[in-house]
Amino acid sequence: GENVEQHPSTLSVQEGDSAVIKCTYSDSASNYFPWYKQELGKRPQLIIDIRSNVGEKKDQRIAVTLNKTAKHFSLHITETQPEDSAVYFCAAPGGGATNKLIFGTGTLLAVQP
Amino acid sequence: KAGVTQTPRYLIKTRGQQVTLSCSPISGHRSVSWYQQTPGQGLQFLFEYFSETQRNKGNFPGRFSGRQFSNSRSEMNVSTLELGDSALYLCASSIGLSRETQYFGPGTRLLVL
Repeated sequence: GENVEQHPSTLSVQEGDSAVIKCTYSDSASNYFPWYKQELGKRPQLIIDIRSNVGEKKDQRIAVTLNKTAKHFSLHITETQPEDSAVYFCAAPGGGATNKLIFGTGTLLAVQP
Repeated sequence: KAGVTQTPRYLIKTRGQQVTLSCSPISGHRSVSWYQQTPGQGLQFLFEYFSETQRNKGNFPGRFSGRQFSNSRSEMNVSTLELGDSALYLCASSIGLSRETQYFGPGTRLLVL
């Protein structure tokens, strides 16, 4: 069935360090992998996404890598700042022609100043 | 463009009552998906609408229903509320039908007493 696993569930880093969050998915037909950031009491906001025709995508301090063979993708945040503290969710599509997303369980990132 | 809006933002109901939540997508977006977010179960897909038709439904009981209007606005209804229905209900809009970027609304926080 459809499943997305996300690790770690919590991550604490010092300001300036890098943070990496990893996800695995089960549906080999999946071809779209978004990452959302959710601050306390706010809506999930898309921060970056990747489609299966590329292996890596960067946007300033944020990058996502995709390994379709191993069915996993990762979020990399460099030079972390206190405002990066939030819960991060990875997601993969549900099967078929749909916008349905299967979400990982979330990673609480705490950046210590 | 204005973002996704949801009303009401907060709601308190008692067991057995019913509730209707509303979502207005980004202008030009024709797809609306609904998700339930709880601390225990995370973000779970409820249903998806496109051009007034339900295209996909998650594993929720029949007490959860929805609809979409010709202007793409969507409503979801929960009848015979249970304590476990307390959650943040998020809607997300997309331009098209399949594997499109989803933008979330601020959510409706429902508390069932």
